[in-house]
Amino acid sequence: DQQVKQNSPSLSVQEGRISILNCDYTNSMFDYFLWYKKYPAEGPTFLISISSIKDKNEDGRFTVFLNKSAKHLSLHIVPSQPGDSAVYFCAASATSGTYKYIFGTGTRLKVLA
Amino acid sequence: DAGVTQSPTHLIKTRGQQVTLRCSPISGHKSVSWYQQVLGQGPQFIFQYYEKEERGRGNFPDRFSARQFPNYSSELNVNALLLGDSALYLCASSRGQGDYTFGSGTRLTVV
Repeated sequence: DQQVKQNSPSLSVQEGRISILNCDYTNSMFDYFLWYKKYPAEGPTFLISISSIKDKNEDGRFTVFLNKSAKHLSLHIVPSQPGDSAVYFCAASATSGTYKYIFGTGTRLKVLA
Repeated sequence: DAGVTQSPTHLIKTRGQQVTLRCSPISGHKSVSWYQQVLGQGPQFIFQYYEKEERGRGNFPDRFSARQFPNYSSELNVNALLLGDSALYLCASSRGQGDYTFGSGTRLTVV
């Protein structure tokens, strides 16, 4: 039972354009969402998070949008840079319970120079 | 500042053996979590410890156990290894809840 889904295993974008990574979840108890970036041979690196009381959070080139009614969130990267090429994981947690994250299967982003 | 450090970085074990993986959290972080990442999948939650107490356990068999020490470092033990236990084992630390910082992981191969 995959509670967090990233349906696009890969995405290619031209340098300077916008990258949009999508994530869907099924558990309505989730109230905190995060995006992590992972390079090969490294652990996931925290990028940005959003609480369910918000619908948007922005940090530099990264913006996360949350649509609670659709149980959908997305990560926008503008402008995309070659260094952004990595695997991006969406994660969700229910803060009233144990602080475990449920991760999606990841989307491999390739930014073409 | 040192990040989350894990040892060893790579490990090869034989089926049926036991393994211990170690994790040192970021200084000041009292919460440690363990995740298993199989190739092509996202990390899966195994355990969370806070102030040396188990606060959460994922859907893993009893062959998996962990503990947290007074200095907040942690060990993950896996007994009776199976081929399917081959994975990247990630440790993450946090001051309390949320925004975990991950280590680079231990790559375990069971042959």
